[in-house]
Amino acid sequence: DVKVTQSSRYLVKRTGEKVFLECVQDMDHENMFWYRQDPGLGLRLIYFSYDVKMKEKGDIPEGYSVSREKKERFSLILESASTNQTSMYLCASSPSDRDSGNTIYFGEGSWLTVV
Amino acid sequence: AQSVTQLDSQVPVFEEAPVELRCNYSSSVSVYLFWYVQYPNQGLQLLLKYLSGSTLVESINGFEAEFNKSQTSFHLRKPSVHISDTAEYFCAVSDTDKLIFGTGTRLQVFP
Repeated sequence: DVKVTQSSRYLVKRTGEKVFLECVQDMDHENMFWYRQDPGLGLRLIYFSYDVKMKEKGDIPEGYSVSREKKERFSLILESASTNQTSMYLCASSPSDRDSGNTIYFGEGSWLTVV
Repeated sequence: AQSVTQLDSQVPVFEEAPVELRCNYSSSVSVYLFWYVQYPNQGLQLLLKYLSGSTLVESINGFEAEFNKSQTSFHLRKPSVHISDTAEYFCAVSDTDKLIFGTGTRLQVFP
């Protein structure tokens, strides 16, 4: 089974702090994603990556950055956390072959509260 | 770009009743379609997907969805729901190398 592991399930941070959310996948997938989930808004794509050291902006990249130094690891960074970044963050990965239809696999999620 | 519409934000239903969760997508030449389920305090799990072939796809826990190209729909159905089906359900469509998700439908099953 594909396993996507997010290092922290619950975090509380203060406004202005730098926040790192770590994600590791064990299936050698090329593609990795960060989404945030908010009530009534569904899942919104923040950033994604097709390969090591590559990144692409999603729909809501403002206030976030990412790092992919190794194929299995994709980090989301909040340079200066703000209260409107309080949310559930979901990491996901997918293989790049077309036969999979872009099926993506999610981690358990990280609940971030910024106070 | 692709888009997905889930018209019902919440669907309450009694146990053992049938249920349909609606999903419509913007048209495209070819699409891949997915339903994901999210149980409380968990990430999303793949429930079923349509890539090609038979337009009716089934999951292992009794859900099914039918790809309807003319109506650009991929509605999720179950003939008899259980309490344990209470969860949020997301429809998704492929768009080049990523998935576009709907806003979700919360299915609440009452005893």
